[in-house]
Amino acid sequence: SQKIEQNSEALNIQEGKTATLTCNYTNYSPAYLQWYRQDPGRGPVFLLLIRENEKEKRKERLKVTFDTTLKQSLFHITASQPADSATYLCALESQAGSARQLTFGSGTQLTVLP
Amino acid sequence: KAGVTQTPRYLIKTRGQQVTLSCSPISGHRSVSWYQQTPGQGLQFLFEYFSETQRNKGNFPGRFSGRQFSNSRSEMNVSTLELGDSALYLCASSPEGRDTQYFGPGTRLTVL
Repeated sequence: SQKIEQNSEALNIQEGKTATLTCNYTNYSPAYLQWYRQDPGRGPVFLLLIRENEKEKRKERLKVTFDTTLKQSLFHITASQPADSATYLCALESQAGSARQLTFGSGTQLTVLP
Repeated sequence: KAGVTQTPRYLIKTRGQQVTLSCSPISGHRSVSWYQQTPGQGLQFLFEYFSETQRNKGNFPGRFSGRQFSNSRSEMNVSTLELGDSALYLCASSPEGRDTQYFGPGTRLTVL
């Protein structure tokens, strides 16, 4: 069956360091993968989308890589700040005909310590 | 543009009751999806509506239903509420044919 796993439930890092979050998947052949940020009590907010033919994508301090051979995406936040503390979710879309469903990982709760 | 709005933001019901949640998508977005989020199961897909038609459905019992109106606004209904239905219900909209989901703030449902 299809499965998405995010490396850990919680990750603590010091301010200024680079945070690296992992998303692994099995039994998917996704055309793209998305990353979202979710703050407590709020809906997820879209951050980045990376397509299967893209190795890497950057947006300000964020970088996402996508390895379809390893079936893995890495999400990096460089020069992390306490304001980056949140839960980060990866998501893959599965499609059957014209129907599509976005499946989310369980998320990694990142805490950036001042 | 205004974001996705959901009403009500909080709701308390008792077992056996039914509930209707509302979602107004971003103007111009024709696709509306509903998700249930719980600490144990994470974010799970309920269903997606596009142009007033249910286009896809997740693995939830028939007590969970929805509909979409001609103005793309959507409602979700849960009948015969169970304690396990307590969750944050999120609505997300997306432009036709696009991939990114824009989420609303959610409705926190508590079933007593």
